[in-house]
Amino acid sequence: GNSVTQMEGPVTLSEEAFLTINCTYTATGYPSLFWYVQYPGEGLQLLLKATKADDKGSNKGFEATYRKETTSFHLEKGSVQVSDSAVYFCALSPYRNSGNTPLVFGKGTRLSVIA
Amino acid sequence: GAVVSQHPSRVICKSGTSVKIECRSLDFQATTMFWYRQFPKKSLMLMATSNEGSKATYEQGVEKDKFLINHASLTLSTLTVTSAHPEDSSFYICSADGLAGGQRKTDTQYFGPGTRLTVL
Repeated sequence: GNSVTQMEGPVTLSEEAFLTINCTYTATGYPSLFWYVQYPGEGLQLLLKATKADDKGSNKGFEATYRKETTSFHLEKGSVQVSDSAVYFCALSPYRNSGNTPLVFGKGTRLSVIA
Repeated sequence: GAVVSQHPSRVICKSGTSVKIECRSLDFQATTMFWYRQFPKKSLMLMATSNEGSKATYEQGVEKDKFLINHASLTLSTLTVTSAHPEDSSFYICSADGLAGGQRKTDTQYFGPGTRLTVL
């Protein structure tokens, strides 16, 4: 079946520190991979995505590369800010066109950035 | 961009009452909407898939008579929690695919802001 495993939180970092949140997946076929962010009191927002192997998704300084050989999609940011404090969810869709298929989510990783 | 709204954002109700949650796609049409449930410090769990004009498809373990889903139009899906109990307290989130002019507008789902239900 399809599943997503991401590192347990919470993660606490100082401002300008380097961030890595690990995510690995199991899937049949050719999944699309996503990172969603949930700010306090808000819904999920798409942060970035990748639809095929070796693709790199990037947005707002965050990056993640679709690694088929290691079945991973780790999220990185070179210098975090206090405003990045949120819960980050790794997710997959079993198909490249994910519009009409439900997503499979990891458990989420809470990030707290302190000034 | 595509916007999905949910109403209400928060609701508190007494045990035994029914609560209706609306999910609307504001600037696009959606043939498919998904309803998820999020427990504290847990991930989102898919409850059901809602298709316009047809019956919803429920995930295993989700009671269809308790969580009634209606997708009456291309811009509105509703989730009704019937005879709510404290264990139904949770954060309910919907998402929608993007459709315009009969063609898929996007390969990405758009999520609503969620509805926090508290049953006393």
